[in-house]
Amino acid sequence: DGGITQSPKYLFRKEGQNVTLSCEQNLNHDAMYWYRQDPGQGLRLIYYSQIVNDFQKGDIAEGYSVSREKKESFPLTVTSAQKNPTAFYLCASSSFDREKNGYTFGSGTRLTVV
Amino acid sequence: QQQVKQSPQSLIVQKGGISIINCAYENTAFDYFPWYQQFPGKGPALLIAIRPDVSEKKEGRFTISFNKSAKQFSLHIMDSQPGDSATYFCAASRRSQGNLIFGKGTKLSVKP
Repeated sequence: DGGITQSPKYLFRKEGQNVTLSCEQNLNHDAMYWYRQDPGQGLRLIYYSQIVNDFQKGDIAEGYSVSREKKESFPLTVTSAQKNPTAFYLCASSSFDREKNGYTFGSGTRLTVV
Repeated sequence: QQQVKQSPQSLIVQKGGISIINCAYENTAFDYFPWYQQFPGKGPALLIAIRPDVSEKKEGRFTISFNKSAKQFSLHIMDSQPGDSATYFCAASRRSQGNLIFGKGTKLSVKP
């Protein structure tokens, strides 16, 4: 079955640590996205990538970094510069014609600072 | 800034009732309007979507109504069931380019 796999499902970070969230898709989608979800805040775009080796900042990119070395993979690093990283992180992908299947989301990673 | 405004923030409906969630958008270039359903601890999943050349689209108990002149669209859930309890997000984009702009979500609770 095609889909998006996010790992880990739960992640705990100590103050001052960088952590990397994994996102892999086998849908042959060109575009990939990272969203942060907080209660009452909806889905806020962190970074997105339309093609390999290219990505753009979203609305809340500060304290985060990404890479897109392969079409299938779009890892997100939460750096120590992100002051309030505790949240639910969602990865998504889409084809260029979104009417075909819209965005496909992963099951998310819940990050907690301890 | 491009926005999609969604209301209400939360909604409680009795089993068998009609749930209605509304969204309004600003950018007249938007031509793709999907709704997503999210259960706790899961990622959102595409529920139903509409293009502006039609005023209504129905899939089972779920209907999107679209009013192009008012720049508004809504989701109607007929015969609401406890299993429909979830958070619903509307979104909008230009189908061929641009990212989806999401509303802030509506938490629906259907009481038995």
